[in-house]
Amino acid sequence: KQEVTQIPAALSVPEGENLVLNCSFTDSAIYNLQWFRQDPGKGLTSLLLIQSSQREQTSGRLNASLDKSSGRSTLYIAASQPGDSATYLCAAHNTDKLIFGTGTRLQVFP
Amino acid sequence: NAGVTQTPKFQVLKTGQSMTLQCAQDMNHEYMSWYRQDPGMGLRLIHYSVGAGITDQGEVPNGYNVSRSTTEDFPLRLLSAAPSQTSVYFCASSYSTSGYNEQFFGPGTRLTVL
Repeated sequence: KQEVTQIPAALSVPEGENLVLNCSFTDSAIYNLQWFRQDPGKGLTSLLLIQSSQREQTSGRLNASLDKSSGRSTLYIAASQPGDSATYLCAAHNTDKLIFGTGTRLQVFP
Repeated sequence: NAGVTQTPKFQVLKTGQSMTLQCAQDMNHEYMSWYRQDPGMGLRLIHYSVGAGITDQGEVPNGYNVSRSTTEDFPLRLLSAAPSQTSVYFCASSYSTSGYNEQFFGPGTRLTVL
């Protein structure tokens, strides 16, 4: 059974810092791994999707990496801004199911 | 495209009442699913469908029914609401069930069962 863990559960940093959010999964037989952002009281917004054959994906200040053999993915946020404050979720896709981690709650203060 | 839409946004039920949460997508996606989100538990899969006429159970299916008569719609039915079903419910869809299949989420339905 796939289990997805995210560390840390919460993070508070000053504006401008570069950040790394971690996601680990127990079953490496994944189709892909997807990172989402969730603002309080809102739905999920897809940030990046890494296919199982890829090692990383980039979008603007965001870079996500995937190491299937070690069961890890990281989301790197460069030059963080207060607008980046949100909960970040990773999800591993196995066969017909998307299994979520419990998220990292990020606060970036000015 | 409207993407994934859900209605209602908010709902309050009494224990024992039944209701249907609506989900629709206009992207011709084959795969649709329902999740519930509870504090400290993350998102948990309730039911999913890989195409019209095909549904299957996820991690927490008890107390919920689904059907998929069309590609566009995937309603979630609560047969007899219980306080334990108080949660935020999200519907999601993707083009396929494998390979490059970015999941798109609806805005959610916040349900309270008294």
